[in-house]
Amino acid sequence: DAKTTQPNSMESNEEEPVHLPCNHSTISGTDYIHWYRQLPSQGPEYVIHGLTSNVNNRMASLAIAEDRKSSTLILHRATLRDAAVYYCILLRGNEKLTFGTGTRLTIIP
Amino acid sequence: GAVVSQHPSWVICKSGTSVKIECRSLDFQATTMFWYRQFPKQSLMLMATSNEGSKATYEQGVEKDKFLINHASLTLSTLTVTSAHPEDSSFYICSARDPSGISDTQYFGPGTRLTVL
Repeated sequence: DAKTTQPNSMESNEEEPVHLPCNHSTISGTDYIHWYRQLPSQGPEYVIHGLTSNVNNRMASLAIAEDRKSSTLILHRATLRDAAVYYCILLRGNEKLTFGTGTRLTIIP
Repeated sequence: GAVVSQHPSWVICKSGTSVKIECRSLDFQATTMFWYRQFPKQSLMLMATSNEGSKATYEQGVEKDKFLINHASLTLSTLTVTSAHPEDSSFYICSARDPSGISDTQYFGPGTRLTVL
């Protein structure tokens, strides 16, 4: 399985943009890049996914490097409710989702 | 996004009893559902993959006779923890794969916190 590497933790000030990095140097051509987040005491929540092009939705933006070996999840204006553990996961076809340790994001009021 | 529900949200039981947890996909049909377990301060660990109408596939180290999974319909999967013991206390989370999307996005339930006394 292609693996991802994320920082263990990050901090950001409220109402500022947050850039969460993810390295996936062994990504294959058919791997989708998925981001999930888990708020305290809740199940994971789907955030966004992409293959090659940058993606935007109401929650976040996903910037994918041209060589696809890294990606960045962008929260445009962090709120306290965005404090969570963010998981970057590569998914191919019908593979099972496997969670790493993710990045624990702390938002500073 | 798609909605997955779990019931109950929390349960406390005595050691030796069995507990059933339900997972439902509310607005889509899920041929495949997954069960995860999460201990405090740890990441989610996949327990088993549940396919509608067939036997579940368990991950290595997960006892299939202890964690009974039934996926009788396209919108319901159940996990029964049999003869529960305190070490089974954990946060159990289900997910359902939405096959209508391009990359088979999984949607997760809110989780069930099990405490075995």
